[in-house]
Amino acid sequence: KAGVTQTPRYLIKTRGQQVTLSCSPISGHRSVSWYQQTPGQGLQFLFEYFSETQRNKGNFPGRFSGRQFSNSRSEMNVSTLELGDSALYLCASSSWVGYEQYFGPGTRLTVT
Amino acid sequence: TQLLEQSPQFLSIQEGENLTVYCNSSSVFSSLQWYRQEPGEGPVLLVTVVTGGEVKKLKRLTFQFGDARKDSSLHITAAQPGDTGLYLCAGNTQGGSEKLVFGKGTKLTVNP
Repeated sequence: KAGVTQTPRYLIKTRGQQVTLSCSPISGHRSVSWYQQTPGQGLQFLFEYFSETQRNKGNFPGRFSGRQFSNSRSEMNVSTLELGDSALYLCASSSWVGYEQYFGPGTRLTVT
Repeated sequence: TQLLEQSPQFLSIQEGENLTVYCNSSSVFSSLQWYRQEPGEGPVLLVTVVTGGEVKKLKRLTFQFGDARKDSSLHITAAQPGDTGLYLCAGNTQGGSEKLVFGKGTKLTVNP
Protein backbone atom coordinates (compact mmCIF):
# COMPACT_ATOMS: atom_id res chain seq x y z
CA LYS A 1 0.00 0.00 0.00
CA ALA A 2 1.46 3.35 -1.02
CA GLY A 3 2.24 5.82 1.75
CA VAL A 4 1.23 9.44 2.17
CA THR A 5 2.61 11.65 -0.58
CA GLN A 6 3.11 15.39 -0.44
CA THR A 7 3.92 17.81 -3.23
CA PRO A 8 6.03 19.74 -3.69
CA ARG A 9 8.83 18.63 -1.38
CA TYR A 10 10.57 21.99 -1.38
CA LEU A 11 9.25 25.47 -2.06
CA ILE A 12 10.73 28.96 -1.91
CA LYS A 13 8.32 31.89 -1.87
CA THR A 14 8.52 35.62 -1.30
CA ARG A 15 6.80 37.43 1.55
CA GLY A 16 3.27 38.44 0.56
CA GLN A 17 2.77 35.61 -1.92
CA GLN A 18 0.44 32.69 -1.40
CA VAL A 19 1.13 28.96 -1.59
CA THR A 20 -0.84 25.75 -2.01
CA LEU A 21 0.44 22.42 -0.73
CA SER A 22 -0.99 19.07 -1.71
CA CYS A 23 -1.39 15.78 0.15
CA SER A 24 -2.55 12.35 -1.01
CA PRO A 25 -3.45 10.05 1.89
CA ILE A 26 -3.04 6.31 2.18
CA SER A 27 -5.72 4.54 0.17
CA GLY A 28 -8.80 4.01 2.33
CA HIS A 29 -7.90 6.67 4.88
CA ARG A 30 -10.56 9.34 5.17
CA SER A 31 -8.92 11.60 7.74
CA VAL A 32 -6.17 14.04 6.78
CA SER A 33 -4.39 16.32 9.24
CA TRP A 34 -1.92 19.12 8.64
CA TYR A 35 0.90 20.18 10.95
CA GLN A 36 3.51 22.91 10.97
CA GLN A 37 6.90 21.98 12.40
CA THR A 38 9.57 24.50 13.39
CA PRO A 39 12.65 24.08 15.60
CA GLY A 40 11.28 26.46 18.22
CA GLN A 41 7.63 25.45 18.41
CA GLY A 42 7.80 21.78 17.52
CA LEU A 43 4.89 20.08 15.80
CA GLN A 44 1.82 22.29 15.80
CA PHE A 45 -1.61 21.13 14.67
CA LEU A 46 -3.20 23.17 11.88
CA PHE A 47 -6.43 21.34 11.05
CA GLU A 48 -7.99 17.95 10.41
CA TYR A 49 -10.44 16.95 7.71
CA PHE A 50 -12.66 13.90 7.59
CA SER A 51 -14.93 13.15 4.64
CA GLU A 52 -14.49 16.67 3.26
CA THR A 53 -15.46 18.33 6.57
CA GLN A 54 -13.09 20.18 8.88
CA ARG A 55 -13.35 18.37 12.22
CA ASN A 56 -10.67 20.10 14.26
CA LYS A 57 -8.72 23.32 13.97
CA GLY A 58 -5.58 24.57 15.67
CA ASN A 59 -4.70 28.10 16.74
CA PHE A 60 -3.49 29.55 13.48
CA PRO A 61 -4.61 32.76 11.76
CA GLY A 62 -7.17 32.73 8.98
CA ARG A 63 -4.37 33.00 6.40
CA PHE A 64 -4.06 29.23 6.81
CA SER A 65 -6.86 27.29 5.19
CA GLY A 66 -7.45 23.85 3.83
CA ARG A 67 -9.88 21.61 2.08
CA GLN A 68 -10.45 17.97 1.35
CA PHE A 69 -11.79 16.49 -1.83
CA SER A 70 -14.17 13.57 -2.32
CA ASN A 71 -11.21 11.24 -3.03
CA SER A 72 -9.74 12.26 0.39
CA ARG A 73 -6.88 14.20 -1.17
CA SER A 74 -6.27 17.45 0.66
CA GLU A 75 -4.79 20.85 -0.02
CA MET A 76 -3.52 23.50 2.33
CA ASN A 77 -3.28 27.15 1.39
CA VAL A 78 -1.36 29.95 3.05
CA SER A 79 -2.07 33.46 1.86
CA THR A 80 -0.01 36.61 2.38
CA LEU A 81 3.09 34.70 3.41
CA GLU A 82 5.21 35.97 6.28
CA LEU A 83 8.82 35.14 7.10
CA GLY A 84 7.62 33.23 10.16
CA ASP A 85 5.70 30.82 7.95
CA SER A 86 8.97 29.17 6.96
CA ALA A 87 8.63 25.62 8.24
CA LEU A 88 8.21 21.97 7.42
CA TYR A 89 4.54 21.32 6.67
CA LEU A 90 3.50 17.77 7.35
CA CYS A 91 0.40 15.96 6.24
CA ALA A 92 -0.81 12.82 7.99
CA SER A 93 -3.62 10.44 7.20
CA SER A 94 -5.49 8.07 9.46
CA SER A 95 -8.45 5.77 9.24
CA TRP A 96 -10.46 7.85 11.72
CA VAL A 97 -10.35 11.24 13.43
CA GLY A 98 -7.59 11.36 16.06
CA TYR A 99 -6.32 7.87 15.35
CA GLU A 100 -2.75 6.82 14.60
CA GLN A 101 -1.18 9.17 12.13
CA TYR A 102 0.76 8.13 9.05
CA PHE A 103 2.89 11.03 7.95
CA GLY A 104 4.14 12.10 4.57
CA PRO A 105 7.70 13.35 4.04
CA GLY A 106 6.63 16.97 4.34
CA THR A 107 6.97 20.13 2.29
CA ARG A 108 9.84 22.40 3.28
CA LEU A 109 8.60 25.98 2.75
CA THR A 110 11.07 28.85 2.85
CA VAL A 111 9.75 32.41 2.78
CA THR A 112 12.25 35.12 1.84
CA THR B 1 -0.82 25.48 26.89
CA GLN B 2 1.43 22.48 26.22
CA LEU B 3 -0.57 19.42 27.33
CA LEU B 4 2.29 16.98 26.86
CA GLU B 5 5.71 17.68 28.34
CA GLN B 6 8.61 15.61 27.09
CA SER B 7 11.93 15.27 28.87
CA PRO B 8 14.75 15.57 28.37
CA GLN B 9 14.59 17.92 25.42
CA PHE B 10 18.02 16.82 24.18
CA LEU B 11 20.01 13.68 24.90
CA SER B 12 23.44 12.70 23.59
CA ILE B 13 24.83 9.32 24.55
CA GLN B 14 27.40 6.75 23.44
CA GLU B 15 26.54 3.58 21.56
CA GLY B 16 25.68 0.77 23.95
CA GLU B 17 24.23 2.96 26.71
CA ASN B 18 20.66 2.70 28.00
CA LEU B 19 18.29 5.65 28.16
CA THR B 20 14.76 6.61 29.15
CA VAL B 21 12.68 9.50 27.85
CA TYR B 22 9.49 10.70 29.44
CA CYS B 23 6.16 12.08 28.34
CA ASN B 24 4.04 13.69 31.08
CA SER B 25 0.71 15.44 31.32
CA SER B 26 -1.92 16.50 33.82
CA SER B 27 -4.57 15.29 31.40
CA VAL B 28 -5.87 11.77 30.97
CA PHE B 29 -5.50 10.26 27.53
CA SER B 30 -7.52 7.47 26.00
CA SER B 31 -4.41 6.36 24.14
CA LEU B 32 -0.85 7.50 23.60
CA GLN B 33 1.41 7.08 20.62
CA TRP B 34 5.17 7.29 20.14
CA TYR B 35 6.77 8.40 16.88
CA ARG B 36 10.35 8.70 15.66
CA GLN B 37 11.35 11.34 13.15
CA GLU B 38 14.60 11.43 11.22
CA PRO B 39 15.94 14.66 9.69
CA GLY B 40 14.09 15.71 6.56
CA GLU B 41 11.38 13.09 6.96
CA GLY B 42 7.95 12.81 8.54
CA PRO B 43 7.43 11.08 11.89
CA VAL B 44 6.97 7.31 11.82
CA LEU B 45 4.61 5.60 14.25
CA LEU B 46 6.41 3.22 16.64
CA VAL B 47 3.69 2.09 19.02
CA THR B 48 0.28 2.88 20.51
CA VAL B 49 -0.53 2.18 24.16
CA VAL B 50 -4.11 2.12 25.33
CA THR B 51 -4.46 0.47 28.73
CA GLY B 52 -3.16 2.02 31.96
CA GLY B 53 -0.01 0.17 33.07
CA GLU B 54 0.47 -1.35 29.63
CA VAL B 55 4.00 -2.28 28.57
CA LYS B 56 4.93 -2.89 24.95
CA LYS B 57 8.27 -3.99 23.56
CA LEU B 58 9.65 -3.34 20.11
CA LYS B 59 13.07 -5.02 19.89
CA ARG B 60 15.30 -2.89 22.15
CA LEU B 61 12.58 -0.32 22.81
CA THR B 62 10.19 -0.65 25.78
CA PHE B 63 7.15 1.59 26.07
CA GLN B 64 5.07 2.00 29.22
CA PHE B 65 1.76 3.78 29.76
CA GLY B 66 1.18 5.11 33.28
CA ASP B 67 -1.48 3.54 35.46
CA ALA B 68 -3.51 6.76 35.42
CA ARG B 69 -3.02 7.18 31.65
CA LYS B 70 -1.40 10.59 32.16
CA ASP B 71 2.20 9.72 31.36
CA SER B 72 4.40 7.38 29.39
CA SER B 73 8.04 6.41 29.07
CA LEU B 74 10.27 5.02 26.37
CA HIS B 75 13.32 2.99 27.39
CA ILE B 76 16.00 2.05 24.89
CA THR B 77 18.47 -0.68 25.76
CA ALA B 78 21.96 -0.72 24.25
CA ALA B 79 21.33 2.29 22.01
CA GLN B 80 22.72 2.24 18.48
CA PRO B 81 23.50 5.12 16.07
CA GLY B 82 20.42 4.09 14.08
CA ASP B 83 18.27 5.09 17.05
CA THR B 84 19.23 8.73 16.49
CA GLY B 85 16.21 10.93 15.83
CA LEU B 86 13.44 13.02 17.34
CA TYR B 87 11.10 11.00 19.55
CA LEU B 88 7.59 12.40 19.81
CA CYS B 89 4.73 11.34 22.01
CA ALA B 90 1.13 12.12 21.11
CA GLY B 91 -1.96 11.72 23.22
CA ASN B 92 -5.54 11.25 22.19
CA THR B 93 -7.72 13.44 24.42
CA GLN B 94 -10.80 11.95 26.00
CA GLY B 95 -14.42 12.87 25.81
CA GLY B 96 -14.45 15.38 23.05
CA SER B 97 -13.33 15.89 19.55
CA GLU B 98 -10.76 13.10 19.55
CA LYS B 99 -7.95 15.55 18.97
CA LEU B 100 -4.37 14.30 18.89
CA VAL B 101 -1.90 16.40 20.91
CA PHE B 102 1.85 16.18 20.34
CA GLY B 103 4.71 16.87 22.72
CA LYS B 104 7.72 18.88 21.52
CA GLY B 105 9.90 15.80 21.42
CA THR B 106 13.22 14.50 22.69
CA LYS B 107 16.13 14.83 20.27
CA LEU B 108 18.34 11.78 20.73
CA THR B 109 21.86 11.48 19.35
CA VAL B 110 23.70 8.18 19.70
CA ASN B 111 27.40 8.54 19.00
CA PRO B 112 29.37 5.57 17.63
